[in-house]
Amino acid sequence: GENVEQHPSTLSVQEGDSAVIKCTYSDSASNYFPWYKQELGKRPQLIIDIRSNVGEKKDQRIAVTLNKTAKHFSLHITETQPEDSAVYFCAASTTGTYKYIFGTGTRLKVLA
Amino acid sequence: DAGVTQSPTHLIKTRGQQVTLRCSPKSGHDTVSWYQQALGQGPQFIFQYYEEEERQRGNFPDRFSGHQFPNYSSELNVNALLLGDSALYLCASSLDWKGDTQYFGPGTRLTVL
Repeated sequence: GENVEQHPSTLSVQEGDSAVIKCTYSDSASNYFPWYKQELGKRPQLIIDIRSNVGEKKDQRIAVTLNKTAKHFSLHITETQPEDSAVYFCAASTTGTYKYIFGTGTRLKVLA
Repeated sequence: DAGVTQSPTHLIKTRGQQVTLRCSPKSGHDTVSWYQQALGQGPQFIFQYYEEEERQRGNFPDRFSGHQFPNYSSELNVNALLLGDSALYLCASSLDWKGDTQYFGPGTRLTVL
């Protein structure tokens, strides 16, 4: 069935370093890949997304890359700051199928 | 511009009881999806409503049911509560069923004792 694997489950980096979170999806029909940041006790917030007709998208310190052949997509955060500490979820969906399949989450800790 | 709102914030129930959770979508959105997020896990899709109809359903039993009203708000009902139903229930809205981007509400924390 449909599945999204996410790695690592936890990630600790020093402030100013880069962080990379990787996801692999199983459904080759997936064409939309959002990333959400969830702080403790708060709602998931969309931070960046990418569609299958694009290989890379960047928004300031955050970037997402997509490899459709390998069915991989990754979140890259540069110049990390303590406020980047949160749980990050990747998701995959297919237009018209109505649902997101989420990864299991990555707890990012940025050490000051 | 109001975002997605949910009520109540927290809820405590006992096994066997029934619960109703409510969601109002973001202004201009007409599609509502419901997710269950167990502690330490990613959200799991329950179902989605568009034009007052359930469009697709995830792997959840019939104890989970929903409704969408003409003003696009939605309810999630869970009958015969089990301990395993304890979770954060998230509502997400999007601009029609073709709109990919979903925006989440703050969630309702349900505890079943």
